[in-house]
Amino acid sequence: GAVVSQHPSRVICKSGTSVKIECRSLDFQATTMFWYRQFPKQSLMLMATSNEGSKATYEQGVEKDKFLINHASLTLSTLTVTSAHPEDSSFYICSAKGVGGETQYFGPGTRLLVL
Amino acid sequence: GQNIDQPTEMTATEGAIVQINCTYQTSGFNGLFWYQQHAGEAPTFLSYNVLDGLEEKGRFSSFLSRSKGYSYLLLKELQMKDSASYLCAVRPPGYSTLTFGKGTMLLVSP
Repeated sequence: GAVVSQHPSRVICKSGTSVKIECRSLDFQATTMFWYRQFPKQSLMLMATSNEGSKATYEQGVEKDKFLINHASLTLSTLTVTSAHPEDSSFYICSAKGVGGETQYFGPGTRLLVL
Repeated sequence: GQNIDQPTEMTATEGAIVQINCTYQTSGFNGLFWYQQHAGEAPTFLSYNVLDGLEEKGRFSSFLSRSKGYSYLLLKELQMKDSASYLCAVRPPGYSTLTFGKGTMLLVSP
């Protein structure tokens, strides 16, 4: 149980384009989903928290107009990196927490490379 | 705020026991998590402690002392596949978010 998937696993795009990353909870309903970014040899940095049906809460320093988050259902959240630039290249990881659950379960991550 | 400290790197040999420490200074506390992360992969959940004491789960155990702001992850009978980064994460009260430490890179050698 508690499986979280992410798609795509890897994406390469040109600077200026937008990239959408999907995060799905496969066998449970995720009332809360989290989006993290991790640069090489660094720890996970929380970008935003999203609750189903409401606006995401962004961490300080994360531009909400650049990183669009949609949590339209209890099993799906999407992160769109708009007008991506090379400095946005990173490992993006989502996690999900179920109703009354204590633990966050992570997706396999999406490696983004912006040329 | 939250401040979480753990060693950057540790080495151990196959079959041995290793203890990875984590100390935290927080304005509040509502649980401590340990995750394992292999290079290039997402973290996987190992353990959760909210009360003082030792939680054992197979080869892995986790200990918490809330009064000391201290936890450790104990790995027994080390295997080569245990080479990974181990992340300590603290959850503040009233929030569902986690604050992660920088992780401890464990290298298991033959």
